Amino acid sequence: GENVEQHPSTLSVQEGDSAVIKCTYSDSASNYFPWYKQELGKGPQLIIDIRSNVGEKKDQRIAVTLNKTAKHFSLHITETQPEDSAVYFCAASSAGGTSYGKLTFGQGTILTVHP
Amino acid sequence: KAGVTQTPRYLIKTRGQQVTLSCSPISGHRSVSWYQQTPGQGLQFLFEYFSETQRNKGNFPGRFSGRQFSNSRSEMNVSTLELGDSALYLCASSPASNYGYTFGSGTRLTVV
Repeated sequence: GENVEQHPSTLSVQEGDSAVIKCTYSDSASNYFPWYKQELGKGPQLIIDIRSNVGEKKDQRIAVTLNKTAKHFSLHITETQPEDSAVYFCAASSAGGTSYGKLTFGQGTILTVHP
Repeated sequence: KAGVTQTPRYLIKTRGQQVTLSCSPISGHRSVSWYQQTPGQGLQFLFEYFSETQRNKGNFPGRFSGRQFSNSRSEMNVSTLELGDSALYLCASSPASNYGYTFGSGTRLTVV
Protein backbone atom coordinates (compact mmCIF):
# COMPACT_ATOMS: atom_id res chain seq x y z
CA GLY A 1 0.00 0.00 0.00
CA GLU A 2 0.85 3.67 -0.08
CA ASN A 3 3.47 5.05 2.28
CA VAL A 4 4.03 8.78 2.85
CA GLU A 5 7.16 10.13 4.51
CA GLN A 6 7.19 13.71 5.82
CA HIS A 7 10.14 15.89 6.86
CA PRO A 8 11.06 17.64 9.04
CA SER A 9 9.13 16.53 12.12
CA THR A 10 9.63 19.94 13.73
CA LEU A 11 10.37 23.30 12.15
CA SER A 12 11.07 26.55 13.93
CA VAL A 13 11.22 29.86 12.02
CA GLN A 14 11.18 33.57 12.73
CA GLU A 15 8.16 35.60 11.75
CA GLY A 16 8.47 36.72 8.15
CA ASP A 17 10.72 33.82 7.13
CA SER A 18 9.67 31.07 4.74
CA ALA A 19 8.91 27.50 5.76
CA VAL A 20 9.19 24.40 3.59
CA ILE A 21 7.85 20.95 4.40
CA LYS A 22 8.60 17.98 2.16
CA CYS A 23 6.84 14.67 1.56
CA THR A 24 7.59 11.62 -0.52
CA TYR A 25 5.12 8.93 -1.54
CA SER A 26 5.55 5.38 -2.75
CA ASP A 27 2.51 4.55 -4.90
CA SER A 28 2.86 5.79 -8.46
CA ALA A 29 -0.95 5.52 -8.79
CA SER A 30 -1.44 8.35 -6.29
CA ASN A 31 -2.95 11.36 -8.02
CA TYR A 32 -4.23 13.67 -5.29
CA PHE A 33 -2.08 15.41 -2.68
CA PRO A 34 -3.73 17.59 -0.02
CA TRP A 35 -2.12 19.47 2.85
CA TYR A 36 -3.84 19.91 6.19
CA LYS A 37 -3.23 22.24 9.12
CA GLN A 38 -4.25 21.04 12.56
CA GLU A 39 -4.47 23.36 15.53
CA LEU A 40 -4.77 22.21 19.10
CA GLY A 41 -8.18 20.76 19.87
CA LYS A 42 -9.35 20.93 16.26
CA GLY A 43 -9.63 18.61 13.33
CA PRO A 44 -7.32 18.90 10.31
CA GLN A 45 -8.17 21.81 8.02
CA LEU A 46 -7.53 21.55 4.29
CA ILE A 47 -5.27 24.44 3.28
CA ILE A 48 -4.26 23.53 -0.25
CA ASP A 49 -4.30 20.53 -2.55
CA ILE A 50 -2.86 19.52 -5.91
CA ARG A 51 -3.67 16.88 -8.47
CA SER A 52 -1.09 14.94 -10.43
CA ASN A 53 -1.77 16.77 -13.70
CA VAL A 54 -0.49 20.00 -12.15
CA GLY A 55 3.08 20.79 -11.12
CA GLU A 56 2.47 23.78 -8.87
CA LYS A 57 -0.41 25.56 -7.19
CA LYS A 58 -0.41 28.79 -5.22
CA ASP A 59 -2.88 30.41 -2.85
CA GLN A 60 -1.68 33.72 -1.39
CA ARG A 61 1.22 32.86 0.96
CA ILE A 62 0.92 29.11 0.46
CA ALA A 63 2.16 27.06 -2.47
CA VAL A 64 2.53 23.38 -3.22
CA THR A 65 4.85 21.80 -5.78
CA LEU A 66 4.68 18.26 -7.13
CA ASN A 67 7.39 16.20 -8.81
CA LYS A 68 5.72 13.03 -10.08
CA THR A 69 8.94 11.55 -11.41
CA ALA A 70 10.65 11.77 -8.04
CA LYS A 71 7.39 11.10 -6.18
CA HIS A 72 7.68 14.05 -3.87
CA PHE A 73 5.69 17.15 -3.10
CA SER A 74 6.34 20.15 -0.92
CA LEU A 75 4.48 22.85 0.97
CA HIS A 76 5.90 26.36 0.90
CA ILE A 77 4.69 29.07 3.29
CA THR A 78 6.09 32.55 2.74
CA GLU A 79 6.05 35.52 5.12
CA THR A 80 5.17 33.29 8.04
CA GLN A 81 3.07 34.67 10.89
CA PRO A 82 2.63 33.42 14.48
CA GLU A 83 -0.86 32.18 13.58
CA ASP A 84 0.74 29.78 11.10
CA SER A 85 2.03 27.81 14.10
CA ALA A 86 0.33 24.39 14.01
CA VAL A 87 0.87 20.80 12.94
CA TYR A 88 0.92 20.31 9.18
CA PHE A 89 0.13 17.01 7.48
CA CYS A 90 0.66 15.98 3.91
CA ALA A 91 -1.43 13.18 2.42
CA ALA A 92 -1.79 11.18 -0.77
CA SER A 93 -4.58 9.20 -2.37
CA SER A 94 -5.42 7.51 -5.64
CA ALA A 95 -8.73 7.22 -7.40
CA GLY A 96 -11.15 4.35 -6.98
CA GLY A 97 -10.81 0.69 -6.14
CA THR A 98 -9.24 -0.04 -2.79
CA SER A 99 -8.42 3.63 -2.39
CA TYR A 100 -11.97 4.94 -2.07
CA GLY A 101 -12.03 7.68 0.54
CA LYS A 102 -8.60 6.81 1.84
CA LEU A 103 -5.98 9.43 2.49
CA THR A 104 -2.56 8.17 3.57
CA PHE A 105 -1.01 10.78 5.85
CA GLY A 106 2.54 11.73 6.63
CA GLN A 107 3.67 11.82 10.25
CA GLY A 108 3.17 15.56 10.61
CA THR A 109 5.38 18.61 11.05
CA ILE A 110 5.12 20.86 14.10
CA LEU A 111 5.69 24.38 12.79
CA THR A 112 6.51 27.10 15.31
CA VAL A 113 6.71 30.71 14.15
CA HIS A 114 8.46 32.97 16.66
CA PRO A 115 7.38 36.64 16.78
CA LYS B 1 -22.47 26.51 5.33
CA ALA B 2 -22.31 24.14 8.30
CA GLY B 3 -19.19 22.04 8.58
CA VAL B 4 -18.79 18.41 9.57
CA THR B 5 -20.33 17.83 12.98
CA GLN B 6 -19.15 15.09 15.29
CA THR B 7 -20.80 14.13 18.54
CA PRO B 8 -19.98 13.77 21.30
CA ARG B 9 -16.76 15.80 21.56
CA TYR B 10 -15.47 13.87 24.55
CA LEU B 11 -16.19 10.41 25.84
CA ILE B 12 -14.83 8.32 28.70
CA LYS B 13 -15.54 4.60 28.64
CA THR B 14 -14.43 1.56 30.61
CA ARG B 15 -12.55 -1.37 29.12
CA GLY B 16 -14.93 -3.94 27.68
CA GLN B 17 -17.72 -1.47 26.97
CA GLN B 18 -18.84 -0.43 23.53
CA VAL B 19 -19.22 3.06 22.08
CA THR B 20 -21.01 4.72 19.17
CA LEU B 21 -19.75 7.93 17.60
CA SER B 22 -21.79 10.09 15.25
CA CYS B 23 -20.88 12.20 12.23
CA SER B 24 -23.06 14.59 10.23
CA PRO B 25 -21.37 15.48 6.93
CA ILE B 26 -21.61 18.75 5.05
CA SER B 27 -24.95 18.97 3.26
CA GLY B 28 -24.67 17.35 -0.17
CA HIS B 29 -21.55 15.35 0.68
CA ARG B 30 -22.12 11.65 0.09
CA SER B 31 -18.71 10.23 0.97
CA VAL B 32 -17.81 9.89 4.64
CA SER B 33 -14.50 8.56 5.92
CA TRP B 34 -13.36 7.83 9.45
CA TYR B 35 -9.84 8.10 10.88
CA GLN B 36 -8.16 7.31 14.15
CA GLN B 37 -5.51 9.76 15.36
CA THR B 38 -2.99 8.82 18.04
CA PRO B 39 0.40 10.31 18.96
CA GLY B 40 2.16 7.05 18.13
CA GLN B 41 0.44 5.98 14.91
CA GLY B 42 -0.69 9.31 13.52
CA LEU B 43 -3.75 9.48 11.31
CA GLN B 44 -4.94 6.06 10.22
CA PHE B 45 -7.85 5.29 7.88
CA LEU B 46 -10.68 3.23 9.35
CA PHE B 47 -13.33 3.03 6.60
CA GLU B 48 -15.27 4.93 3.96
CA TYR B 49 -18.97 4.99 3.16
CA PHE B 50 -20.75 6.23 0.07
CA SER B 51 -24.50 5.99 -0.45
CA GLU B 52 -24.88 3.72 2.59
CA THR B 53 -22.26 1.26 1.29
CA GLN B 54 -18.87 0.60 2.81
CA ARG B 55 -16.47 0.83 -0.09
CA ASN B 56 -13.17 0.66 1.69
CA LYS B 57 -11.82 -0.52 5.01
CA GLY B 58 -8.51 0.04 6.75
CA ASN B 59 -6.46 -2.40 8.73
CA PHE B 60 -8.41 -2.44 11.97
CA PRO B 61 -9.96 -5.38 13.83
CA GLY B 62 -13.61 -6.32 13.40
CA ARG B 63 -14.43 -4.57 16.68
CA PHE B 64 -14.48 -1.39 14.63
CA SER B 65 -17.56 -1.04 12.47
CA GLY B 66 -19.65 1.66 10.92
CA ARG B 67 -22.67 2.48 8.89
CA GLN B 68 -24.15 5.28 6.85
CA PHE B 69 -27.76 6.33 6.69
CA SER B 70 -29.79 7.51 3.71
CA ASN B 71 -29.20 11.16 4.72
CA SER B 72 -25.42 10.49 4.60
CA ARG B 73 -25.01 10.75 8.36
CA SER B 74 -22.62 8.12 9.62
CA GLU B 75 -21.90 6.30 12.84
CA MET B 76 -18.96 4.22 13.92
CA ASN B 77 -19.05 1.64 16.66
CA VAL B 78 -16.25 0.13 18.68
CA SER B 79 -17.09 -2.95 20.72
CA THR B 80 -15.18 -4.52 23.60
CA LEU B 81 -13.09 -1.40 24.15
CA GLU B 82 -9.39 -1.73 24.89
CA LEU B 83 -7.06 0.82 26.48
CA GLY B 84 -5.32 1.16 23.12
CA ASP B 85 -8.53 2.43 21.53
CA SER B 86 -8.05 5.74 23.31
CA ALA B 87 -7.67 8.23 20.50
CA LEU B 88 -9.16 11.15 18.60
CA TYR B 89 -11.67 9.78 16.09
CA LEU B 90 -12.12 12.01 13.08
CA CYS B 91 -14.81 11.99 10.44
CA ALA B 92 -14.35 13.62 7.04
CA SER B 93 -16.82 14.22 4.24
CA SER B 94 -16.43 14.88 0.53
CA PRO B 95 -18.79 15.69 -2.33
CA ALA B 96 -17.17 12.83 -4.24
CA SER B 97 -14.60 10.35 -3.11
CA ASN B 98 -10.87 10.93 -3.14
CA TYR B 99 -10.65 14.69 -3.01
CA GLY B 100 -11.64 17.74 -1.03
CA TYR B 101 -12.20 16.03 2.30
CA THR B 102 -13.37 18.31 5.14
CA PHE B 103 -12.74 17.06 8.64
CA GLY B 104 -14.81 17.50 11.75
CA SER B 105 -13.32 18.44 15.12
CA GLY B 106 -13.34 14.83 16.24
CA THR B 107 -14.45 12.80 19.23
CA ARG B 108 -11.84 12.34 21.95
CA LEU B 109 -12.33 8.82 23.33
CA THR B 110 -10.61 7.82 26.53
CA VAL B 111 -10.77 4.20 27.67
CA VAL B 112 -10.02 3.58 31.34
